[in-house]
Amino acid sequence: DAGVTQSPTHLIKTRGQQVTLRCSPKSGHDTVSWYQQALGQGPQFIFQYYEEEERQRGNFPDRFSGHQFPNYSSELNVNALLLGDSALYLCASSLGGGGPSTDTQYFGPGTRLTVL
Amino acid sequence: DAKTTQPNSMESNEEEPVHLPCNHSTISGTDYIHWYRQLPSQGPEYVIHGLTSNVNNRMASLAIAEDRKSSTLILHRATLRDAAVYYCILRVTSYDKVIFGPGTSLSVIP
Repeated sequence: DAGVTQSPTHLIKTRGQQVTLRCSPKSGHDTVSWYQQALGQGPQFIFQYYEEEERQRGNFPDRFSGHQFPNYSSELNVNALLLGDSALYLCASSLGGGGPSTDTQYFGPGTRLTVL
Repeated sequence: DAKTTQPNSMESNEEEPVHLPCNHSTISGTDYIHWYRQLPSQGPEYVIHGLTSNVNNRMASLAIAEDRKSSTLILHRATLRDAAVYYCILRVTSYDKVIFGPGTSLSVIP
């Protein structure tokens, strides 16, 4: 049973460009959350997708957008890249209707984005 | 959002127990306490969670204070593979944003 997978593993872009990161959730999971982790800090919540809709959003600008497909996989898009967007982008999957007592998040290995 | 505070770093000797504290003085009655850890160069992984009673699983134990304003993650015998950043998180519903603090960086000394 494959866990959460993310692609690509590493990416280098220049300022102003656009990037798309991809995530496949753990088998049986229907909810995908995205996080940004700067070096030496804890992950920061970007948004969560459930039933192809954005259900929750953190304090990130509209340059960050996402999508969830019918097979529950998800994409994170970032437009007009800034140097400060350089970070590890983590995807986590879970069961959306399980409640906090069962809502365990399973994280992927992340995509390392470098903006030059 | 409810918040937690943890020490920035801790050290432990290999094969000794480790007690990682977390303060959550503003916790509400419906907040679950979750612990995750992040090994170097990996995504975070779930460790344990609880509501009121102490909890045990194959990885660790969670001791929750009677007033629920603090909790302690217990690793019974630290190994070198337990060196990681440990995060204490509060969650009310599965809809909640998962708010990670800076966590506690645990070093294990051989």
